[in-house]
Amino acid sequence: KAGVTQTPRYLIKTRGQQVTLSCSPISGHRSVSWYQQTPGQGLQFLFEYFSETQRNKGNFPGRFSGRQFSNSRSEMNVSTLELGDSALYLCASSKGLAGGDEQYFGPGTRLTVT
Amino acid sequence: GQNIDQPTEMTATEGAIVQINCTYQTSGFNGLFWYQQHAGEAPTFLSYNVLDGLEEKGRFSSFLSRSKGYSYLLLKELQMKDSASYLCAPIKPVNAGNMLTFGGGTRLMVKP
Repeated sequence: KAGVTQTPRYLIKTRGQQVTLSCSPISGHRSVSWYQQTPGQGLQFLFEYFSETQRNKGNFPGRFSGRQFSNSRSEMNVSTLELGDSALYLCASSKGLAGGDEQYFGPGTRLTVT
Repeated sequence: GQNIDQPTEMTATEGAIVQINCTYQTSGFNGLFWYQQHAGEAPTFLSYNVLDGLEEKGRFSSFLSRSKGYSYLLLKELQMKDSASYLCAPIKPVNAGNMLTFGGGTRLMVKP
C-alpha cells in the first residue's frame, strides 16, 4: 500500500509570509503527527491529530497550527514565518489505537525561509 | 523531564558489532522506539520495546531497562549501508497518544 505522502517537497518563503504543508497518511491510519527537524534542535514533536482532533501538542508557539480532515489527511500552517522556521517538516502516520503504534514517516517538506 | 542522552557520533568497522546507548529521565512512559535515518531521508522504524529485556530482529537487537531509564541498540555484522543516524524515542502513556520525544541521534559511520 502507498506510504505517507507530503506536499510540497521543497518550499522557499520570505520572512513574514505564511505557509501550509500537507500530509496524506497511509490508508486506514487515523493518527497524524508532525515533527520539525533542524540540525541544532534535532527532531521535535509539533502536534498529533487523531480523528480530526488535536490529541497532543508540543512546545511550539501559536504560529504553528494544524488540522485534520475527515479522510485523515492533515495540514499544518505556519504564520508570520521567521528565519528559524527553516527546517525539514516531517509527518508520521499510525493507526493511532495505542501509544505503541509504529509511526511511518513521510519524506518531509524542506522549508527555507529567507 | 525527558532528558534523552545518546552519543553524538560513533565509528565502527564493517563486519563488527556496535552498541548505541540511550539514557533518559522520564516518568510514565510505556515504551521506547529506535529509528534509523539516512542522510536526507525520513526516519524508518527499527524496534519498539515495551517490556524490559532484549528484542532481537535479525542483525538488530534492542534492549530496555525501564527502572534504569536505559536502552541500547545493538547492530551486528555491520554493513556500509548501516551508516546513518540512530534515534531513540521514549513514548508517553497510551492515553496520551503518539507523541515521540527524540534524542539528538547518534551518527554512526561504518568504515571498510
